[in-house]
Amino acid sequence: SQELEQSPQSLIVQEGKNLTINCTSSKTLYGLYWYKQKYGEGLIFLMMLQKGGEEKSHEKITAKLDEKKQQSSLHITASQPSHAGIYLCGADVRSGSEKLVFGKGTKLTVNP
Amino acid sequence: ETGVTQSPTHLIKTRGQQVTLRCSSQSGHNTVSWYQQALGQGPQFIFQYYREEENGRGNFPPRFSGLQFPNYSSELNVNALELDDSALYLCASSLGALGGTDTQYFGPGTRLTVL
Repeated sequence: SQELEQSPQSLIVQEGKNLTINCTSSKTLYGLYWYKQKYGEGLIFLMMLQKGGEEKSHEKITAKLDEKKQQSSLHITASQPSHAGIYLCGADVRSGSEKLVFGKGTKLTVNP
Repeated sequence: ETGVTQSPTHLIKTRGQQVTLRCSSQSGHNTVSWYQQALGQGPQFIFQYYREEENGRGNFPPRFSGLQFPNYSSELNVNALELDDSALYLCASSLGALGGTDTQYFGPGTRLTVL
């Protein structure tokens, strides 16, 4: 079973539009990470959230953590073509010896 | 730039062969983790090394093995390659031992194709 579910799987938006990506864990979250990946390349660290209710922003990207619901959301305001890529959430769920588990990713396309 | 490098960038092998992938971590990062990412999937944890000792392993068979060296370099070795081993292999470095609560910085990956 998938420990981290991301939704939607893919998203196509017009430049300038806002969007939200969600990440839901089936287990308790001890840390939640957001990464961005260009196709076939490495992961670029965006943000880490650890405490319930925590919210962090970087440029036009805001991430929030709802510890009780075991969910995190990533919100992009006024999207730009440079935001296009695959967004991955990773979590420390203390599941056996797994150090970090990942969702399958959300593919974002921003049309100019 | 994360300061984490990997080599080679691409590699083609045939079934049954052995392969070694290399990673150079950020200076001062004592932990390196390796992940396998199949097409359309999220990265899957293979194992982690902390100060040259294995510090956790995912659900991968023993033919996946690793080494970490004192100079912040590390290797992932895969023996008896299978077609399903075709994937992007990512290494990530972090400061501490826990890994899960330490931010991991990823390299660009090595694309392995097994024919």
